[in-house]
Amino acid sequence: GENVEQHPSTLSVQEGDSAVIKCTYSDSASNYFPWYKQELGKGPQLIIDIRSNVGEKKDQRIAVTLNKTAKHFSLHITETQPEDSAVYFCAAPEGSGGSNYKLTFGKGTLLTVNP
Amino acid sequence: DVKVTQSSRYLVKRTGEKVFLECVQDMDHENMFWYRQDPGLGLRLIYFSYDVKMKEKGDIPEGYSVSREKKERFSLILESASTNQTSMYLCASSLAGWVQPQHFGDGTRLSIL
Repeated sequence: GENVEQHPSTLSVQEGDSAVIKCTYSDSASNYFPWYKQELGKGPQLIIDIRSNVGEKKDQRIAVTLNKTAKHFSLHITETQPEDSAVYFCAAPEGSGGSNYKLTFGKGTLLTVNP
Repeated sequence: DVKVTQSSRYLVKRTGEKVFLECVQDMDHENMFWYRQDPGLGLRLIYFSYDVKMKEKGDIPEGYSVSREKKERFSLILESASTNQTSMYLCASSLAGWVQPQHFGDGTRLSIL
């Protein structure tokens, strides 16, 4: 099955700085990579995702980059704000075939943005 | 917006009890999932269902079963609760087909005493 590793496990930045979280995956057939944000007391919420036919996707202050050769993808948050403080999870599916898929999640990164 | 509702935010049960966790989604999604979330271990898939009355085991199905009698409702059952099943349980749903985003509920924090 898929193996997803996420680093770092904790990240502390000053407000306004950038934050980068990186994930590696093992299944070269994987072709969809979502990122989720989980605030305290809430369930994970999808914030951005990327498919393997593109190398980068941006949505305002958030971007995701994908390197299929190296089998890693990263979340970039620019101009961080205190409300970005949360746990972030990456995920990758098991394989690329079939009509139903399972996601394997990284273990999460606790991001703290200090005012 | 997709809404996934888990019936209880907090639940306290005793060892050996049969426990039911309920999840309802309102977007006519074909796929539904149950995860368990523990500190340092991330989200681990217990069971998922891709259609009514259909289910598949995830990575940690032992000690659990599921029921999906209606498309919008997916239940997780702890047949005989044990203390090592104390955890946060998350339900999610998605459309059928490849690469569909999963939408999560806010979780049920279950304590087994």
